[in-house]
Amino acid sequence: NAGVMQNPRHLVRRRGQEARLRCSPMKGHSHVYWYRQLPEEGLKFMVYLQKENIIDESGMPKERFSAEFPKEGPSILRIQQVVRGDSAAYFCASSPQKAKMTEAFFGQGTRLTVV
Amino acid sequence: AQTVTQSQPEMSVQEAETVTLSCTYDTSESDYYLFWYKQPPSRQMILVIRQEAYKQQNATENRFSVNFQKAAKSFSLKISDSQLGDAAMYFCAYRKVAGGGADGLTFGKGTHLIIQP
Repeated sequence: NAGVMQNPRHLVRRRGQEARLRCSPMKGHSHVYWYRQLPEEGLKFMVYLQKENIIDESGMPKERFSAEFPKEGPSILRIQQVVRGDSAAYFCASSPQKAKMTEAFFGQGTRLTVV
Repeated sequence: AQTVTQSQPEMSVQEAETVTLSCTYDTSESDYYLFWYKQPPSRQMILVIRQEAYKQQNATENRFSVNFQKAAKSFSLKISDSQLGDAAMYFCAYRKVAGGGADGLTFGKGTHLIIQP
């Protein structure tokens, strides 16, 4: 059973470009969480999604950031018109159901560098 | 809002010795979960141990154990017989029991654990 898969592992974008980060949850998991880790910081919650629904996006910036988890395919975190301050590691976690969040599993993250 | 504080940016311990990492948190909830995660250089977040607040007994996983003091809102991690493979960043995290609203984990800033051979 493959773990949570995130790709790419590393992504370099110039200021103003778009970044698309993908997360394939573990098989059978229908809940996905995105976190951002700035250098020397802990992970900060961004958004929680179930299939085709955004449940909680309280940690996600209102501008330029969006997330989706379609019925088919991976969850996508999209950052438009990237700026240097978006450089960070972005982690995805998945769990089988909301009440089982204690069993959330993390991917290895995508390190976004904005140049 | 909940906050998690790790007051030790870095800790160092001799191999085979015992080390304790500190964590305090602030919440108005009475029921919640607490976690310790390990992040080695590979960046993979690995769950080390978890504690449910309604359980008084401290959680233990092999060489890892916690000292959970609910009244003091303290949740320290003890690593016994430290091994070189324990070297990593350690993050303390909090999550309230499911019941609507934000269900994400709240993390501390981490403690960098160095193991001296």
